[in-house]
Amino acid sequence: KNEVEQSPQNLTAQEGEFITINCSYSVGISALHWLQQHPGGGIVSLFMLSSGKKKHGRLIATINIQEKHSSLHITASHPRDSAVYICAALSYNTDKLIFGTGTRLQVFP
Amino acid sequence: DAGVTQSPTHLIKTRGQQVTLRCSPKSGHDTVSWYQQALGQGPQFIFQYYEEEERQRGNFPDRFSGHQFPNYSSELNVNALLLGDSALYLCASSSGTRDNEQFFGPGTRLTVL
Repeated sequence: KNEVEQSPQNLTAQEGEFITINCSYSVGISALHWLQQHPGGGIVSLFMLSSGKKKHGRLIATINIQEKHSSLHITASHPRDSAVYICAALSYNTDKLIFGTGTRLQVFP
Repeated sequence: DAGVTQSPTHLIKTRGQQVTLRCSPKSGHDTVSWYQQALGQGPQFIFQYYEEEERQRGNFPDRFSGHQFPNYSSELNVNALLLGDSALYLCASSSGTRDNEQFFGPGTRLTVL
């Protein structure tokens, strides 16, 4: 079992839909990252959070430390949101980032 | 302000050869981490450099080595390339202490034939 698991693996949506991507982890963490990766490879850091909730534009990330679970929400999704979204846990013990395998999102017009 | 830059963007090598990948961190950052991302997988941690020394290492063989220069830029070297080394190699920079956010470069796609 992976230390960081994401669901779903693949997600398709119509433009305007509300999107939720989930991340569960089994290690103690000091922070959790949500990353976006477009075709071609470059990774953009969306959020780093260790408690509560953060919001940037149409993106919202939440984390529940007790349940070891985080969610990434996209409101009013748009085709340009199509990408792979990766959850990465910063292990408290090892100070290393442990990555999930990603969720591939496709938003159709 | 330039973000994290990596070179080259693409590289093709044959088995047994050696390769060097380069990374320049974001301005003000002094820590560089390297990751390998195989197709369809999440990135895997290779190692991290801070103050010109390897501070942490993942589960990669000694064929993978690195270096950090006084200007904080870094190199990743892979010797005796195997087909399985074909991947996207990502560099991320951060500032010093733990818990600081990492900023990723665009990656170098290495193909080993």
